[in-house]
Amino acid sequence: DIQMAQSPSSLSASVGDRVTITCRASQSIGIYLHWYQQKPGKAPRPLIYTASSLASGVPSRFSGSGSGTDFTLTISSLQPEDFATYYCQQSYSTLTFGGGTKVEIK
Amino acid sequence: EVQLVESGGGLVKSGGSLRLSCAASGFTFSSYAMSWVRQAPGKGLEWVSGISGSGSRTFYADSVKGRFTISRDNSKSTLYVQMNSLRAEDTAVYYCAKDRGAGGNSAPDAFDIWGQGTMVTVSS
Repeated sequence: DIQMAQSPSSLSASVGDRVTITCRASQSIGIYLHWYQQKPGKAPRPLIYTASSLASGVPSRFSGSGSGTDFTLTISSLQPEDFATYYCQQSYSTLTFGGGTKVEIK
Repeated sequence: EVQLVESGGGLVKSGGSLRLSCAASGFTFSSYAMSWVRQAPGKGLEWVSGISGSGSRTFYADSVKGRFTISRDNSKSTLYVQMNSLRAEDTAVYYCAKDRGAGGNSAPDAFDIWGQGTMVTVSS
């Protein structure tokens, strides 16, 4: 199976900060990389599909980039509602998720 | 409104069995692959199993292969997973999730709609 490594596993940031989360695949997955946001006690919510396509209803401060093995999720200006855990997921082969990145208030 | 509602979770002893259901509404169920994704307490997401829209293709994570069986009844817009030989490490919230793109015979891809989850606890 393809392993997905996210970094950092957690970070502290302030409202208005630019935040970058990375996801690295153990082999090339093209652009078959997706991002989700999850808040405590809630189901995940899709953010980005195929590396850079914004899911429906997602604010434009979220963006994604990358291809092959290295991918990035960027939040351009962190808002209070963005404090959550973020997961990447690949669909190039048997689906796997990254370990998650928890974004906490500084 | 597109909605997924899971049921069937509960407490079961190690080695036991449980069947989860996911009732779908608000979309043409048979057009979409569906999956089960689980999350152990305090841990990350783990894809468990998926099924094509037609039901002809099924997919499993290695961790559940041979123990779990996914199925669907398109006439009832319902997804199932039969879980046998349960282990303590199967303890988790189980979510059903709808694929984002239509495709009658497609493999699972990415998810746009998730249910609220149902808790499965396996006691040793």
